[in-house]
Amino acid sequence: QVQLVESGGGVVQPGRSLRLSCAASRFTFSTYAMHWVRQAPGKGLEWVAVISYDGSNHNYADSVKGRFTISRDNSKNTLYLQMNSLRAEDTAVYYCARDPGILEPYYYMDVWGKGTTVTVSS
Amino acid sequence: EMEMTQSPATLSVSPGERATLSCRASQSVSNNLAWYQQIPGQAPRLLIYGASTRASGISARFSGSGSGTEFTLTISSLQSEDFALYYCQHYNNWPPITFGQGTRLEIK
Repeated sequence: QVQLVESGGGVVQPGRSLRLSCAASRFTFSTYAMHWVRQAPGKGLEWVAVISYDGSNHNYADSVKGRFTISRDNSKNTLYLQMNSLRAEDTAVYYCARDPGILEPYYYMDVWGKGTTVTVSS
Repeated sequence: EMEMTQSPATLSVSPGERATLSCRASQSVSNNLAWYQQIPGQAPRLLIYGASTRASGISARFSGSGSGTEFTLTISSLQSEDFALYYCQHYNNWPPITFGQGTRLEIK
């Protein structure tokens, strides 16, 4: 069964950095675009970033542009989200999710991980 | 930026009855719309893509319709496991990808 497992969440002070990871298994990771989506406590879903299958293209929500970087290591079947200059409003559960398009993204998500919680607080 | 508006915010329906959830886009998204279900404490699950195509393994009780700016998710013969949060998401003219604010489907 296709699986995504996030890790790296935790409690961090405002202004600090954190790197999330998402380990993919049981599918050909290197052929799919991948997304990060977050959900603040009690709130709805917010798309964060997307990266192409080969890592050559990426896009970000305005709320994280210039602070977050999405990347991937296809040799390790792993997706990353480097989060810098964290703010209280970045507090959320962060989900990695697969885009179902092979080589070309469709920009919706067909497989989701269980999420990892990031809390930004002093 | 595209805005997705879901209505109602909360829908109360009895088990066995039909639920109809709405999603409106601020401009046309053609049929580039997906629906997700989220049980509290769990990850979202893809239900519908292309406005009306059920995702793999999704019950035929779930159906989607609409195009342009008006979309509907219908759940027939509600079962206990269907009471959850539902989100629509457009994937037209990205970025950004945007979600609706969600509809909570609760037991009446």
